Amino acid sequence: EAGVAQSPRYKIIEKRQSVAFWCNPISGHATLYWYQQILGQGPKLLIQFQNNGVVDDSQLPKDRFSAERLKGVDSTLKIQPAKLEDSAVYLCASSSGRAAGYTFGSGTRLTVV
Amino acid sequence: GNSVTQMEGPVTLSEEAFLTINCTYTATGYPSLFWYVQYPGEGLQLLLKATKADDKGSNKGFEATYRKETTSFHLEKGSVQVSDSAVYFCALIGSGGGADGLTFGKGTHLIIQP
Repeated sequence: EAGVAQSPRYKIIEKRQSVAFWCNPISGHATLYWYQQILGQGPKLLIQFQNNGVVDDSQLPKDRFSAERLKGVDSTLKIQPAKLEDSAVYLCASSSGRAAGYTFGSGTRLTVV
Repeated sequence: GNSVTQMEGPVTLSEEAFLTINCTYTATGYPSLFWYVQYPGEGLQLLLKATKADDKGSNKGFEATYRKETTSFHLEKGSVQVSDSAVYFCALIGSGGGADGLTFGKGTHLIIQP
């Protein structure tokens, strides 16, 4: 089966600019996650969707980050305005259920200068 | 809240050495436990998992046993290879509710020298 697709692979922006990341999960996977992985740290969950509804966004900095999953398939994560500390790899993952496991995309590496 | 603590790296070993990477966790109830691996330039891959106490997960010669009494899930391999060089992450999913995102440790960078 095709994996989790993410784009772009790399993005460099200046602080205070906006940026958007896109994720296409594995076909049929109802649950989609966005994680932030800062260099030298483990991934941190930002938001979890079940179909097109939000299950958990407790760690999403809502003053600057937003995410949507229209029609319960693709998802976009947006940062506006970006700060230097947002430099990280943004990972998307999808799952068909807790017992089935999770598949991660290759991520988008964001550098804010 | 949930948390995972794993040994700091980098860990440097010679080929064919025995490997242990320690992982302990804090969580209520009975979480599911995972080890993920990230090879250079690649994405996160599931290495092994265990979903209940005393379960042993295994894959590619790696093993880890879910120890409820010590809240641990240490990763072991009897004879490492250069190709095992990667970053290893211990992670858990809490046992309750619909929110089931992974909580990760900080990762352990493993370097195997020939």
